[in-house]
Amino acid sequence: DSGVTQTPKHLITATGQRVTLRCSPRSGDLSVYWYQQSLDQGLQFLIQYYNGEERAKGNILERFSAQQFPDLHSELNLSSLELGDSALYFCASSADVGGRRVPDTQYFGPGTRLTVL
Amino acid sequence: GEDVEQSLFLSVREGDSSVINCTYTDSSSTYLYWYKQEPGAGLQLLTYIFSNMDMKQDQRLTVLLNKKDKHLSLRIADTQTGDSAIYFCAESMGGNYQLIWGAGTKLIIKP
Repeated sequence: DSGVTQTPKHLITATGQRVTLRCSPRSGDLSVYWYQQSLDQGLQFLIQYYNGEERAKGNILERFSAQQFPDLHSELNLSSLELGDSALYFCASSADVGGRRVPDTQYFGPGTRLTVL
Repeated sequence: GEDVEQSLFLSVREGDSSVINCTYTDSSSTYLYWYKQEPGAGLQLLTYIFSNMDMKQDQRLTVLLNKKDKHLSLRIADTQTGDSAIYFCAESMGGNYQLIWGAGTKLIIKP
């Protein structure tokens, strides 16, 4: 158990709908990362938040957005869903310590499997 | 540009050694990682190596880094059925908190 929790575990919805995925990082971790894993695209970095602020953006579509709340949990919002959005969505967290003398290890949650019908 | 490449599949016999290879392009990488993803689960950190090291050993795992060729490998000794998983290589770049990920190598164990 990594200490990162994600809800829901599975989500089935229809095209055009909007869903929200939720992530609670490990206790004390300030950074949250969102990833999409699909069969044809592999693991794609979407976005990173650090202590409530967006820090880095990857291959995130404009239809997707995320936020990190004061209690450090994060939500990923996916709207106008398309069939191609069906994937596993992972959240990871890291302590994001300063100094960089140790690797900033990312700890992954179990993922949310999204199926768009 | 930044790129991490891995073979998609590796098949080995139970009890043999598995060697999973990875090449990366960014010479300023500070840490290189191996993550393991078992079926239906999230990614789990297996090991990492700092870019100024050549080798790191941790029980059945040996990581070799050839910085000149930008080649990283993960050797699993005495491969067991529980080692069946997808293995991801990732690099982090100095000062940047993002990881650049390979596509993952699926390790298949033959009895």
